[in-house]
Amino acid sequence: ENVLTQSPGTLSLSPGERATLSCRASQSVNSNFLAWYQQKPGQAPRLLIYATSSRATGIPDRFRGSGSGTDFTLTISRLEPEDFAVYYCQHYSDSSLFTFGPGTKVEI
Amino acid sequence: EMQLVESGGGLVQPGGSLRLSCEVSGFTISSSWMHWVRQAPGKGLVWVSRISEDGRVTNYVDSVKGRFTISRDDAKNTLYLQMNSLRPEDTAVYYCVRVVVTDVTYWFHPWGQGTLVTVSS
Repeated sequence: ENVLTQSPGTLSLSPGERATLSCRASQSVNSNFLAWYQQKPGQAPRLLIYATSSRATGIPDRFRGSGSGTDFTLTISRLEPEDFAVYYCQHYSDSSLFTFGPGTKVEI
Repeated sequence: EMQLVESGGGLVQPGGSLRLSCEVSGFTISSSWMHWVRQAPGKGLVWVSRISEDGRVTNYVDSVKGRFTISRDDAKNTLYLQMNSLRPEDTAVYYCVRVVVTDVTYWFHPWGQGTLVTVSS
């Protein structure tokens, strides 16, 4: 089973700062199958990034995904007030099917 | 606009059953892989089950195999999750999700708003 680990668990930042979120897999991941989701309190998750670096429709360009192999990163260049949320990485494999990481909370 | 609306959640005793529904508008479920994802209170996301566009392929996370059944009614454009032998650890918000699959990638979008299932005596 390919386990996803996200760090840090919580990231305390201020609006305008840069956020760097890490997602590490226990085994190498096909980068076409690595996605990121944002979830705000009381809301359903929302697709941000798919295939490691492709932004979903309507997602601002301050969100950038990168990485390969076992190490992937979501970078938010300048935090806006609406960006404070929990972020999950997710990947697909034939053996484990769909796996989510435990999430990183970005808080003020 | 694509919309998914879940219903059928509620309070059920351990060992009981519930059937969740997900009414879809804005696209036809027969053209999409459809999934269920759950989230226990204060916890992360866990993928639960999926069904293929033609309904021939279904998969489940190990913890629900033999207890949950995913299905759909194309005429009603509705996805279902039949949950039997429920356990307290099944307590969660259940989301239905459309998954777009291309030749090279996939993505989970859109998501429903979720329905809460509480398993407790």
